[in-house]
Amino acid sequence: AQTVTQSQPEMSVQEAETVTLSCTYDTSESDYYLFWYKQPPSRQMILVIRQEAYKQQNATENRFSVNFQKAAKSFSLKISDSQLGDAAMYFCAYSDGNSGGSNYKLTFGKGTLLTVNP
Amino acid sequence: NAGVTQTPKFRILKIGQSMTLQCAQDMNHNYMYWYRQDPGMGLKLIYYSVGAGITDKGEVPNGYNVSRSTTEDFPLRLELAAPSQTSVYFCASSWAFGEQYFGPGTRLTVT
Repeated sequence: AQTVTQSQPEMSVQEAETVTLSCTYDTSESDYYLFWYKQPPSRQMILVIRQEAYKQQNATENRFSVNFQKAAKSFSLKISDSQLGDAAMYFCAYSDGNSGGSNYKLTFGKGTLLTVNP
Repeated sequence: NAGVTQTPKFRILKIGQSMTLQCAQDMNHNYMYWYRQDPGMGLKLIYYSVGAGITDKGEVPNGYNVSRSTTEDFPLRLELAAPSQTSVYFCASSWAFGEQYFGPGTRLTVT
């Protein structure tokens, strides 16, 4: 079974600084997707960024970017120019790409609680 | 588009009671999922569906049942509620590959 590990239960960053959240995963599949979801105090799960395993280029979305290291099975999230609104729980998630087997179910890590200090 | 909607937002149940958590999506997604989130944990999959009339168990299905009679609706039934089912429940839906859209969650307390 696939597993997702987030080794940092909590992180903090100063406003306008950069922070990197770590995620490692374990899979024997070659076709899969990786995601970072944000969960603010409202509890709503919000997709931040996604990465397809077959793409070598790291995904970026405005201030959010990933460092995808396929051989190392590592998928870290970098938040640049951190803002107070970035404070939230961040979850790394994995999905197989093979619909015949997994039906695109997500496996989540336990999350990293990010605090942004003014 | 309303996206994924869930009702109720909050509920308190007594041990042994039953209830149904409602989930609906208006994006015509084939895939729908139910997750639970316990304090300090990530989400765990309870049940999922790949289309109307087709459901399957996830990682933690015990104590729950689902049905999928339409593309839009995917209710989750709790029978004989137990304190271990105290959690936040999320419904999600997606197209085939990966990106899931989540509802706002239902906070359930069983006492």
